Amino acid sequence: KQEVTQIPAALSVPEGENLVLNCSFTDSAIYNLQWFRQDPGKGLTSLLLIQSSQREQTSGRLNASLDKSSGRSTLYIAASQPGDSATYLCAVRSEIQGAQKLVFGQGTRLTINP
Amino acid sequence: DGGITQSPKYLFRKEGQNVTLSCEQNLNHDAMYWYRQDPGQGLRLIYYSQIVNDFQKGDIAEGYSVSREKKESFPLTVTSAQKNPTAFYLCASNRGGNYGYTFGSGTRLTVV
Repeated sequence: KQEVTQIPAALSVPEGENLVLNCSFTDSAIYNLQWFRQDPGKGLTSLLLIQSSQREQTSGRLNASLDKSSGRSTLYIAASQPGDSATYLCAVRSEIQGAQKLVFGQGTRLTINP
Repeated sequence: DGGITQSPKYLFRKEGQNVTLSCEQNLNHDAMYWYRQDPGQGLRLIYYSQIVNDFQKGDIAEGYSVSREKKESFPLTVTSAQKNPTAFYLCASNRGGNYGYTFGSGTRLTVV
């Protein structure tokens, strides 16, 4: 059974710091991994998608890495800003009971203090 | 702009009522999904559909029903059999292959 864990559950840092969010998964047989952002009461916004054959993806100040063999992904946020405050969700796409499904972690709630 | 539209944003249900949540996409995606989000529990899959006129149960389908008569639409009905329906409901779509998922803005359902 695929399980996804995100650590820490919450993180508070001052503005301008670089930070890393962690995601681990128990079954390395994944198709891809997707990082999302969720603002309070809103839907999910896709940040980065990493295919199983890739090691990392970058978008602006965000960089996501994937180490499939160890079941880990990290989301690196450079020069954090108050607008980065949100919950960040990691999800892996795996085959479960004959169908491809997205399995989510419980998220890291990030607060950037001005 | 292409995307997923969920309506209504807020919905209130009385005990014993069925309510239907709307999900419409103009992305031309084949697959559509319904998730439920509860505090501290992450997102759980309710139903999914990979093609028109076909759908499968997810992990927590009891008390819910869906239809997929059109590619663009995947409505979710929360029936009176769902004993704890208060939650945030998210609809998603995917074009297949190894592409990423796109999510709607969600519907918050509250039992009154």
